Amino acid sequence: SQQGEEDPQALSIQEGENATMNCSYKTSINNLQWYRQNSGRGLVHLILIRSNEREKHSGRLRVTLDTSKKSSSLLITASRAADTASYFCAAYGQNFVFGPGTRLSVLP
Amino acid sequence: DAGVIQSPRHEVTEMGQEVTLRCKPISGHDYLFWYRQTMMRGLELLIYFNNNVPIDDSGMPEDRFSAKMPNASFSTLKIQPSEPRDSAVYFCASSPGGGLNTGELFFGEGSRLTVL
Repeated sequence: SQQGEEDPQALSIQEGENATMNCSYKTSINNLQWYRQNSGRGLVHLILIRSNEREKHSGRLRVTLDTSKKSSSLLITASRAADTASYFCAAYGQNFVFGPGTRLSVLP
Repeated sequence: DAGVIQSPRHEVTEMGQEVTLRCKPISGHDYLFWYRQTMMRGLELLIYFNNNVPIDDSGMPEDRFSAKMPNASFSTLKIQPSEPRDSAVYFCASSPGGGLNTGELFFGEGSRLTVL
């Protein structure tokens, strides 16, 4: 399986600061995806980056992908209290396995 | 579209009882996934279907668990008999297929199961 493994497990920042989360995976992929989960809810797709892309932006989100290192990072700029959630990466190839996630707390 | 619909949202049952969780995927999606989420194990892929056919059930914990997809708009996950360690949130997700499939998953809100 091509598991995503997020780092750090938990992150606490002040509103307005940037939050960076990292993801590592094990084998070749078609794309890598980031998801967000608010407490008690299902996961919601945030952004997808293809294996031939190195960087992608969507609003306050920036994702990078380094296939040589089998790693990705998610940057949330100018964080808000509403960004408080768990964030998961999933490396998509033949199957879909999620890592343990990063719990982000944005303090007002 | 209403998204992926799961029922029940909450289920409390006693050990030994049968539990059936239900899922209606997004219309037109060819893939359906069942996940289990716990604090200890995180998100575990239990089984997934493609065009109603089970493709990989290697994540199903044991014979007490079974999943079916009788048609493109309905799937069930059954636990019989249930045990306290089955307590978790069970998610169903669907994904479009075909040549445009990027693997993006659309999740339901989950079914929280508590086995006493």
